[in-house]
Amino acid sequence: QVQLQESGPGLVKPSETLSLTCTVSAGSISSGYWSWIRQPPGKGLEWIGYIYYSGNTNYKPSLKSRVTISVDRSKNQFSLNLISVTAADTAVYYCARHLPPERGYSYGPVGHWGQGALVIVSS
Amino acid sequence: QLALTQSPSASASLGASVKFTCTLSSGHSDYAIAWHQQHPEKGPRYLMKLNGDGSHSKGTGVPDRFSGSSSGAERYLTISSLQSEDEADYYCETWDGGIWVFGGGTKLTVL
Repeated sequence: QVQLQESGPGLVKPSETLSLTCTVSAGSISSGYWSWIRQPPGKGLEWIGYIYYSGNTNYKPSLKSRVTISVDRSKNQFSLNLISVTAADTAVYYCARHLPPERGYSYGPVGHWGQGALVIVSS
Repeated sequence: QLALTQSPSASASLGASVKFTCTLSSGHSDYAIAWHQQHPEKGPRYLMKLNGDGSHSKGTGVPDRFSGSSSGAERYLTISSLQSEDEADYYCETWDGGIWVFGGGTKLTVL
């Protein structure tokens, strides 16, 4: 089944940009929905946004002004950029693939998760 | 506003059963959810999708000890014959209009 692996810097300075890449293996990124989800230390899961394989995106409203998710189908990867980070953005960041929606529906749940990448925002 | 509510903690003895509750916000009582399991320092694992009518579809390799059910706005995950490896955090997830939300999670302690 599909496997996802996050990569990127583990330390980002405040006010700078957090950038992560998710590499997809044992499957193609050329279908379905792909999300970024984060988890601050000791806390719960927070959905950040998704990208459809065609490039359509949607983001959590409270993060929308700072987030961009993009896809590179030639590399079977998708990426997260989060600008103007603060300590509150310190978290483990997961990339994920959604299951295909059931007939008559547009969306489905997260069905596959990456292992996660810890990003610390600190000077 | 779409939201999910979970109790922060639960405990049960080895070999017993435990039932987790995930409550959908007002106006969303017929929504489907999904359950995920997360062991400490690990990424989450998809367990099942659970519809409002109680029908559910489990992920690959999820044991038969895990089952789901629904009643009104409540969605349940039941684990029977508890094993030590079931000690983990359990999250519910739902979605609407291209937005996804997670419950706060329930930490299971196996006694």
